Amino acid sequence: DARVTQTPRHKVTEMGQEVTMRCQPILGHNTVFWYRQTMMQGLELLAYFRNRAPLDDSGMPKDRFSAEMPDATLATLKIQPSEPRDSAVYFCASGSPEAFFGQGTRLTVV
Amino acid sequence: AQSVTQPDIHITVSEGASLELRCNYSYGATPYLFWYVQSPGQGLQLLLKYFSGDTLVQGIKGFEAEFKRSQSSFNLRKPSVHWSDAAEYFCAVGSGYSTLTFGKGTMLLVSP
Repeated sequence: DARVTQTPRHKVTEMGQEVTMRCQPILGHNTVFWYRQTMMQGLELLAYFRNRAPLDDSGMPKDRFSAEMPDATLATLKIQPSEPRDSAVYFCASGSPEAFFGQGTRLTVV
Repeated sequence: AQSVTQPDIHITVSEGASLELRCNYSYGATPYLFWYVQSPGQGLQLLLKYFSGDTLVQGIKGFEAEFKRSQSSFNLRKPSVHWSDAAEYFCAVGSGYSTLTFGKGTMLLVSP
């Protein structure tokens, strides 16, 4: 059963700490997305990759967020330093045109 | 720019009653359209999709949606709602070469 796998599922961290979220896309999918979900903003696209190349990261605060795909089986989203306003659920998805979502990482920054 | 409007933030339906969730989109070309469902604490699950052809598409869990180009709509329907259908539903629009744009979602509550 092919699925997108995200780790960790939950993360609580102190303000100023670095946070790294990982995603294993579905094997064979060459398009990978990072979304953030909050009550106020809903689902926001942070970044997306095609064939491991970043195509659009305009939704991401550049000063503290970074997204990479070291290889075809791993995508990472890093926040450094983290702030309380980064508290949200972060989703990775793969596939195009239809996207398949992981279970998300619930991040709480205190 | 593409956009999706889901005019209903919350909808309450009695168990066994029919359901229709509204979705209107704005897109410059022929759109690909999707409905996703999200249960609490879970990711988004694809319910159904429309790319081309028959404008009435069937999905999982007994859901269907109808594409109406003249109305720029892609409403989701189910003839008889079950308590397990209570969740948040998202409509999305995109193409093979663009990212998906999601609506704000409609929370479905099912009353006994």
